[in-house]
Amino acid sequence: DVKVTQSSRYLVKRTGEKVFLECVQDMDHENMFWYRQDPGLGLRLIYFSYDVKMKEKGDIPEGYSVSREKKERFSLILESASTNQTSMYLCASSTGTLLTGELFFGEGSRLTVL
Amino acid sequence: AQRVTQPEKLLSVFKGAPVELKCNYSYSGSPELFWYVQYSRQRLQLLLRHISRESIKGFTADLNKGETSFHLKKPFAQEEDSAMYYCALAGMFSGGYNKLIFGAGTRLAVHP
Repeated sequence: DVKVTQSSRYLVKRTGEKVFLECVQDMDHENMFWYRQDPGLGLRLIYFSYDVKMKEKGDIPEGYSVSREKKERFSLILESASTNQTSMYLCASSTGTLLTGELFFGEGSRLTVL
Repeated sequence: AQRVTQPEKLLSVFKGAPVELKCNYSYSGSPELFWYVQYSRQRLQLLLRHISRESIKGFTADLNKGETSFHLKKPFAQEEDSAMYYCALAGMFSGGYNKLIFGAGTRLAVHP
């Protein structure tokens, strides 16, 4: 059973703080993704990675960066948190091609920036 | 621009009524389409994909390329179908990588 684990379920941070969101998957998947989920906007892709040390910008990368030093771990970094980054963050992983494959999601990390 | 549109934020029906959650897409190539579902306090998970032509939990979805639609249907809704439903499109976008993009989601509420 694929497991995607996001270490922090709820975080409260102050404006300007550096925030790390960690995601680990245990199925040796090559592909990993970070989305943010907002009511009325659905899921928007922030960054993705198809291999270790590889990263590509998604649709809304501004204000975020990522790190993939190991295959199983994909970290999302907010260098200087702002209130408009208050959101639910979802990590996902998959194997093979996205065109027929399935994304496996974590439970989400709800971030509040004050 | 490539996008997925779900025009309804909320769909409210009674148990036993037919359900149709609408999804329209805009994509220049040949799309691969999916429906994902998120039940209360659960992870987002794949419900069905058009390429499999499968029926999951009584739901079906047909790709209509002429109308660029991939509506999700169920003839008789059950209370346990209450959830958030997202339509998603996988394809090759700018940058040369395959990506999965999602619609805004439709909340289905099935009342007893």
